[in-house]
Parts: sequence; C-alpha cells; structure tokens
Amino acid sequence: DVKVTQSSRYLVKRTGEKVFLECVQDMDHENMFWYRQDPGLGLRLIYFSYDVKMKEKGDIPEGYSVSREKKERFSLILESASTNQTSMYLCATQGGGVAGDEQYFGPGTRLTVT
Amino acid sequence: SQQGEEDPQALSIQEGENATMNCSYKTGINNLQWYRQNSGRGLVHLILIRSNEREKHSGRLRVTLDTSKKSSSLLITASRAADTASYFCATRLTGGGNKLTFGTGTQLKVEL
Repeated sequence: DVKVTQSSRYLVKRTGEKVFLECVQDMDHENMFWYRQDPGLGLRLIYFSYDVKMKEKGDIPEGYSVSREKKERFSLILESASTNQTSMYLCATQGGGVAGDEQYFGPGTRLTVT
Repeated sequence: SQQGEEDPQALSIQEGENATMNCSYKTGINNLQWYRQNSGRGLVHLILIRSNEREKHSGRLRVTLDTSKKSSSLLITASRAADTASYFCATRLTGGGNKLTFGTGTQLKVEL
C-alpha cells in the first residue's frame, strides 16, 4: 500500500512566520502535488512536481513555493504566512503511466495562521 | 462555475437506501475519478472511469459517464452509516498532463 505522510496534523503559526509543510511518500511515485482545501471551494492545486527538482505552478501558487530535492519528499513553503493561508493542506502522489492515474493522499495538515 | 461540480451539495438518507451523486464538467477529459473524504482526513480513491467507458462497478459502487452531456454519476447501493463522508469527482483533462481538477464535493450523511 502507498503511504503518504505529512509532517503535522495541526499547526498554528503567527502572521509573517516562514512555514514548512513536509510530505513523504514510500512508493517511488514520480508525481507529487500540494492542494489546499477550503469549505465550499473544494481542492485547489497549489504546486506539483513530476520529478526531482522539477516543479510547476498549479491554480493558486501565489504566496507559496515548493522544494523537491529527493524523489520521496515534497515540501510546501509559506514564505511569510498570512491569515488568508489558514486552511487544510493536502499532499498527494501519483505514479502516472502504467502505475495509474489515481492519486494517494496524506492525512492533511490543518494550518491556522493568527 | 468550476470544472467538476457535484450535485447535490449535501444529501441525507437512511441506512439501506441508495445514494446518487452527480458530477458535471466542462471540457474534454481522459478520465474521471471519484474520491471519498472522511471528516478532516485525506481523500481516498474509489473508482476511475475512462472517457471511452460508459459504466463501471466496484462492490456497492456504480459509476456512469456520459461524455455527450459531460456528466457522471456515482451510485452507492445499500448505504451504511460508514459511508457518511464527502465525495468528490476529479477530472483528468485532455492535454492536462497528470493534474486532476476536483469538484467542490457532495456531503453524504447516512442515518441509522
């Protein structure tokens, strides 16, 4: 079974802090994704990566950056947290190609910025 | 409106009844997927239907796809309290690479 872990389930940070959210997968999947989920808006893609050191912007990249130095780890960085970044953050992986199109999600990190 | 909109937004049924959720989308797709999310948790993949398929079954789940109407439906038969969750459709767009576009979800409540 694919296992996707996220560094924290709950996180409280202050406005202006730099925040790191980490995601680790154990299935050697090429593709990794960061979403945020807000009530009434569903999941929105922030960034994704299809290989080490490769990244592409999703639909709402503003205020975020990412890092993928190793295949199994994909980090989301909030350079200067703001209250409108309070949300549920979900990481997902996908094998792609013959490995399949379905995405496997971590348990989520609920971030509160005060 | 968004690519991938579920209808209804919320659904409440009794245990043993069937639950039907619908998803509409706007542009061409390679496949459409359904996911379940239990309260406050990550999403779990349920079923995938490709653009050249019309119907697919998995256990108590039945998914249909009508590409002419750009719509899909998810039927859960003989629902159980454990089916209480939010259900999302997600589309892999033609030419969209590996990205999925998620809808806003249907909240299903199954009461005893």
